[in-house]
Amino acid sequence: SQQGEEDPQALSIQEGENATMNCSYKTSINNLQWYRQNSGRGLVHLILIRSNEREKHSGRLRVTLDTSKKSSSLLITASRAADTASYFCATRQGGSEKLVFGKGMKLTVNP
Amino acid sequence: DTAVSQTPKYLVTQMGNDKSIKCEQNLGHDTMYWYKQDSKKFLKIMFSYNNKELIINETVPNRFSPKSPDKAHLNLHINSLELGDSAVYFCASSSFRGGSYEQYFGPGTRLTVT
Repeated sequence: SQQGEEDPQALSIQEGENATMNCSYKTSINNLQWYRQNSGRGLVHLILIRSNEREKHSGRLRVTLDTSKKSSSLLITASRAADTASYFCATRQGGSEKLVFGKGMKLTVNP
Repeated sequence: DTAVSQTPKYLVTQMGNDKSIKCEQNLGHDTMYWYKQDSKKFLKIMFSYNNKELIINETVPNRFSPKSPDKAHLNLHINSLELGDSAVYFCASSSFRGGSYEQYFGPGTRLTVT
């Protein structure tokens, strides 16, 4: 069953602006991951945050996790046209072997 | 070097046919996956193998049969193709099983059933 729900479903910003995407989930998780998918390509892993972590950084990416609210956010700072893609959150629930992906969110960065 | 490769990239076929998609990873990973992405971009796990052992088998029609000849390869065979099978199929791999590790995705195979 679907776990994550990204919000907003689509976001259009200008180059240089920050982009924030949110993900909400329903059950307790072991970890939460963010992936990027460029048009016509496979998914690329961006960052993984474990359930006992609250914040993680990787380059221009900042991810937060609030397990009490069952939500995560992905912040991309100083966006570039090359950041234009769909972004997915994925969660591993409890003892499950699998990742469950959200519906994805389309980010468009205009040059 | 391509980490996870799939063939073919595009597959157009008629209803009722049988087709296969091949996947290979050169990352030395133990676990491989098949996902289906529908027209609305929703990505759903279908199968997962760990060291040639089937560990995830989601509720998919038994017309879909995965085969892992060795831990670097995971193929997907589909019998009696239906219109609803049209989608993009992604192969992925991870170093260990359990969903706690990043997954590396192939470029996808766009299957169109007419």
